[in-house]
Amino acid sequence: DTAVSQTPKYLVTQMGNDKSIKCEQNLGHDTMYWYKQDSKKFLKIMFSYNNKELIINETVPNRFSPKSPDKAHLNLHINSLELGDSAVYFCASSQGGSGIYNEQFFGPGTRLTVL
Amino acid sequence: GNSVTQMEGPVTLSEEAFLTINCTYTATGYPSLFWYVQYPGEGLQLLLKATKADDKGSNKGFEATYRKETTSFHLEKGSVQVSDSAVYFCALYSGGYQKVTFGTGTKLQVIP
Repeated sequence: DTAVSQTPKYLVTQMGNDKSIKCEQNLGHDTMYWYKQDSKKFLKIMFSYNNKELIINETVPNRFSPKSPDKAHLNLHINSLELGDSAVYFCASSQGGSGIYNEQFFGPGTRLTVL
Repeated sequence: GNSVTQMEGPVTLSEEAFLTINCTYTATGYPSLFWYVQYPGEGLQLLLKATKADDKGSNKGFEATYRKETTSFHLEKGSVQVSDSAVYFCALYSGGYQKVTFGTGTKLQVIP
């Protein structure tokens, strides 16, 4: 039974297109995240939502827009795709809160290739 | 700001060899430290953690000790297996809302 799932697993598209990646978790967590992993495996947080509210918003181009319809889902929409957006995007979830770290559970990733 | 520095990979070892992957950190306050592992084609999984100085985290034969005096959290395993081939990420959390800082990852390849 998949805990954190993402669709699609692979996404190949042309520059300038708009695309979305979906994420769902069935762990009952209240916080979800999007990370970007580049070709050198460097992993950087992009966004975090707690109970549908944006908590972390790193320096990400505003072409990237997360949407959380409920606390089990966090989707990532990307407008006007650029070559530099090619990467693996990971969704993760955890319980929220400040002061104590709660283990983050990661999805399998979506490999985005922009041609 | 916080940062995590890991040794560059890839690290290639023969089966049953001893593994060390170095990790040092810079952080305000007293961070919690972690090792995550990413197997090929999968997302990251928490491997072990330590929340205060001198704590030793361990799991699946891997160990790491939180050394405050050297700001280090090196990962070790006495005898690696082919199934340990993966990318290993050192990470820290130093408060705030669940924001984790990851190192750049170290790829380990174990050959039979």
